[in-house]
Amino acid sequence: SQQGEEDPQALSIQEGENATMNCSYKTSINNLQWYRQNSGRGLVHLILIRSNEREKHSGRLRVTLDTSKKSSSLLITASRAADTASYFCATVYQAGTALIFGKGTTLSVSS
Amino acid sequence: GAVVSQHPSWVICKSGTSVKIECRSLDFQATTMFWYRQFPKQSLMLMATSNEGSKATYEQGVEKDKFLINHASLTLSTLTVTSAHPEDSSFYICSASLLGSGEKLFFGSGTQLSVL
Repeated sequence: SQQGEEDPQALSIQEGENATMNCSYKTSINNLQWYRQNSGRGLVHLILIRSNEREKHSGRLRVTLDTSKKSSSLLITASRAADTASYFCATVYQAGTALIFGKGTTLSVSS
Repeated sequence: GAVVSQHPSWVICKSGTSVKIECRSLDFQATTMFWYRQFPKQSLMLMATSNEGSKATYEQGVEKDKFLINHASLTLSTLTVTSAHPEDSSFYICSASLLGSGEKLFFGSGTQLSVL
């Protein structure tokens, strides 16, 4: 079964607004990662936050991690039409080596 | 950054034929590559972990004889969909990690397979 679950499944906002996506996971993790996928393309790594970190920033991205609640959030500030894409969180489960992806949030930013 | 090249980008084939998808790490050596499958508007589902020089590790429910994986070198892994059927139509994506397991993945651009 998938490790992460994002919400909302879909999000529509106007340019300039902030977009927040949430991810919950099931087991202990070493790190949690966020990826972006444009339609019909491969995924691009956005940010990685380790289990001993609570918050991380990268440009207009802000990620938080709450290991007690097994949840993470991705905030995109001052969104642009080019941010339109699907966003996935991913973690490594159990003793595995592969990333397991959540269901994703589809973000639509209109100008 | 590290680049993973995947070919072909799309392929259309007749039912019963086999299709090979290549995944190459262009500027780094990847001892492990991962193959995912994605249906429209759904998430990525891990199919198998490809290990250089050894047999791939398949996820539960993925047929080994159906999806043949070969990782003969540190820069190339191939996925062959054998005797493809319409239900195998999907988006297949490979990935590799530069820093090791559980770390950031670099993805190929994916292969859209359509089986008629």
